[in-house]
Amino acid sequence: KAGVTQTPRYLIKTRGQQVTLSCSPISGHRSVSWYQQTPGQGLQFLFEYFSETQRNKGNFPGRFSGRQFSNSRSEMNVSTLELGDSALYLCASSLGDHNPNTEAFFGQGTRLTVV
Amino acid sequence: AQSVTQLGSHVSVSEGALVLLRCNYSSSVPPYLFWYVQYPNQGLQLLLKYTSAATLVKGINGFEAEFKKSETSFHLTKPSAHMSDAAEYFCAVKSPSSASKIIFGSGTRLSIRP
Repeated sequence: KAGVTQTPRYLIKTRGQQVTLSCSPISGHRSVSWYQQTPGQGLQFLFEYFSETQRNKGNFPGRFSGRQFSNSRSEMNVSTLELGDSALYLCASSLGDHNPNTEAFFGQGTRLTVV
Repeated sequence: AQSVTQLGSHVSVSEGALVLLRCNYSSSVPPYLFWYVQYPNQGLQLLLKYTSAATLVKGINGFEAEFKKSETSFHLTKPSAHMSDAAEYFCAVKSPSSASKIIFGSGTRLSIRP
């Protein structure tokens, strides 16, 4: 079955602009989580969506937001981009049950560069 | 709060040598521990996970990890390194109260010398 698909793979934006990233989870998976990966801060949890509702949230400013559609596809939006938002944004798909042992499957990520 | 600490941001071994990547966890409750691998310009792939069924966990690509409660460790090993093992490795933990949120360690970059 198809894996997690993130689009686009690469993106260059200017400071102050906004950006939308997309993630299509594995078929049947209802949970989508987003992570930011930077050399300085490592991998950090942004938020999780399950059944179109934000179920969990990390410690990021309100400029970072997301949503999930009825087909479980998710989008992440960053407004008023800053240079520090340059990162690899990873999406993870899982069944969404409450079992911590349930595996999360990651997409290849979107590399965002803010200039 | 749950956390993991990876000792050594970069490890270099010769091809055929033992690989040992260290991870210590901080948890007051039984932890859910994982090892992930990331190849250049790729996402993360699960190598193995601790499920409490056994302290020695076998994963993909010949890797295994041993859970030691007395040492709060979950080190990753492979008896014989291969050039294709060159990648970044992340130890991670989940809290029972937040099954979807993965807390990652800082990562260890593994280099393999010919």
